[in-house]
Amino acid sequence: QQQVKQSPQSLIVQKGGISIINCAYENTAFDYFPWYQQFPGKGPALLIAIRPDVSEKKEGRFTISFNKSAKQFSLHIMDSQPGDSATYFCAASYGGSNYKLTFGKGTLLTVNP
Amino acid sequence: DAGVTQSPTHLIKTRGQQVTLRCSPISGHKSVSWYQQVLGQGPQFIFQYYEKEERGRGNFPDRFSARQFPNYSSELNVNALLLGDSALYLCASSFPGVGETQYFGPGTRLLVL
Repeated sequence: QQQVKQSPQSLIVQKGGISIINCAYENTAFDYFPWYQQFPGKGPALLIAIRPDVSEKKEGRFTISFNKSAKQFSLHIMDSQPGDSATYFCAASYGGSNYKLTFGKGTLLTVNP
Repeated sequence: DAGVTQSPTHLIKTRGQQVTLRCSPISGHKSVSWYQQVLGQGPQFIFQYYEKEERGRGNFPDRFSARQFPNYSSELNVNALLLGDSALYLCASSFPGVGETQYFGPGTRLLVL
């Protein structure tokens, strides 16, 4: 049972463009929604995270939008750069068990120069 | 400061064998989690240990076991290896608390032939 569905599977964006990755979840108990970035040969690294008491969180070029009623959240990367080319994972957890993350399947982002 | 370290980086085993993977958390972190990442998928939660006690377990068979040592390092053991156990095994450490962030190591890539 896949509790976090992520789309698209892959994404190609031109330098300077906006990259948008979407996730939908099923478990209404989820209360922590992080996004991770993974480069080849490396472990995932936390980019940005949100809790359901806010609808948007911005950190630099990265923004999470959260829609609790639709059970959806998305990552927006503004002014995308070739260095942003990586695999991005959304994840969710609940009940203070932030260690037990449920991940989406990932999105391979390619930013062309 | 050093991040999460894992050893070995790569490993090749044959079906039926046993394997031990090792993880050293970030200095000061007392919690270690293990994840399995199959190629093309997001990481899946296996275990978390805090203060040498198992705090959570994912949906994995009893062939998977782990332990945490007094210095907070951890080992993941997998017995009776199957071809399907081929994956990247990730270790993450955290300092337990509200909003704890999981910091991932580079992983151990296991290939079962």
